[in-house]
Amino acid sequence: GAGVSQSPSNKVTEKGKDVELRCDPISGHTALYWYRQSLGQGLEFLIYFQGNSAPDKSGLPSDRFSAERTGGSVSTLTIQRTQQEDSAVYLCASSLGGGDGEKLFFGSGTQLSVL
Amino acid sequence: GDSVTQMEGPVTLSEEAFLTINCTYTATGYPSLFWYVQYPGEGLQLLLKATKADDKGSNKGFEATYRKETTSFHLEKGSVQVSDSAVYFCALSNYGGSQGNLIFGKGTKLSVKP
Repeated sequence: GAGVSQSPSNKVTEKGKDVELRCDPISGHTALYWYRQSLGQGLEFLIYFQGNSAPDKSGLPSDRFSAERTGGSVSTLTIQRTQQEDSAVYLCASSLGGGDGEKLFFGSGTQLSVL
Repeated sequence: GDSVTQMEGPVTLSEEAFLTINCTYTATGYPSLFWYVQYPGEGLQLLLKATKADDKGSNKGFEATYRKETTSFHLEKGSVQVSDSAVYFCALSNYGGSQGNLIFGKGTKLSVKP
């Protein structure tokens, strides 16, 4: 597609349930990023995939969070046993090669609300 | 670790006023610096960038100069418009550092009134 696509755009879930968020990066982009945007907290880095390298998971806040990227394209962010503090906008971005100074293209995000 | 600090908002200005949003950074090595903007209801998009010291990034009337001596990348615009109302994020990328990704400041909300 023309841009980074994320689904669903909104997700409401109950505390304790698992959720999956999907990201379709721009075709041909080898780098993919997940960020979390919380009210008043700015953007928090979660995880970064670059080609076939092991992902940089240093931003994942707990072991309830995991992500995978299949075939170097689509990525899924999974949150297990959701908590109310997980409520945020989850943003996905991609870039051509993941190099320094490179422009990131962001999706519109998934608004997650945990009741 | 690397970090970005930008001025707290919100910032409210009248149309045609001068804008400065301060941004300072802490990083090892030689990071690249960015300003991203998020307009209401839209996704984040790159506004401008600078990849080495003394470079000036510019776009849509906005400018920012990479100052290594003061570790700063302040965003400026000489005459703001209502359409500039948005949240502005300063960010750095330090591929040679510990993370090959963007590190963002907390964002500054700008409201421009007619």
